[in-house]
Amino acid sequence: GAGVSQSPSNKVTEKGKDVELRCDPISGHTALYWYRQSLGQGLEFLIYFQGNSAPDKSGLPSDRFSAERTGGSVSTLTIQRTQQEDSAVYLCASSLRGASKNIQYFGAGTRLSVL
Amino acid sequence: KNQVEQSPQSLIILEGKNCTLQCNYTVSPFSNLRWYKQDTGRGPVSLTIMTFSENTKSNGRYTATLDADTKQSSLHITASQLSDSASYICVVASGGGADGLTFGKGTHLIIQP
Repeated sequence: GAGVSQSPSNKVTEKGKDVELRCDPISGHTALYWYRQSLGQGLEFLIYFQGNSAPDKSGLPSDRFSAERTGGSVSTLTIQRTQQEDSAVYLCASSLRGASKNIQYFGAGTRLSVL
Repeated sequence: KNQVEQSPQSLIILEGKNCTLQCNYTVSPFSNLRWYKQDTGRGPVSLTIMTFSENTKSNGRYTATLDADTKQSSLHITASQLSDSASYICVVASGGGADGLTFGKGTHLIIQP
């Protein structure tokens, strides 16, 4: 595709429910990232996929958060038993290779609201 | 601990005026520094990227400077337009760590007509 696509754009859920957020990266980009952006805060790193390597999950805040990337393309971020503090914008980005030397391209994000 | 501090936190200026946003960092090792523009409801978009040897880089009305000795960067916006209203995020790449990036919290810029 022309850019990074995320769906849904908005998600409202009840506390305790599970949610799945989807990211379609730019075709050919081997690196994919998930970030969380809370109001007034900077981007918080969650997880990083690079090619076929094991993902770096060091930023996931709890075991309720998980992510997978199938076939080296589409990624899904899953939040189980959502809590109100999970409310934030979840941004996905991709880059040609590692982001430290390549530009990241971001999706528009999924705004998650947990009631 | 790697940190990126941006100032001011928010800024309001009149259309047509110039402004300068600041970024101070303590990131090691240093690979490059980027400025991103994030419109409301959108993802960040890259404006400039500068390596250690680059002092200045322009992108239209946006000019970024880098002083690697003092670990400071600035983003200067000339002849501001209403469409410049956005958050501007400074990001420093260290080449290490999970994603090798440290993000500032951004400066929220509002251009008033």
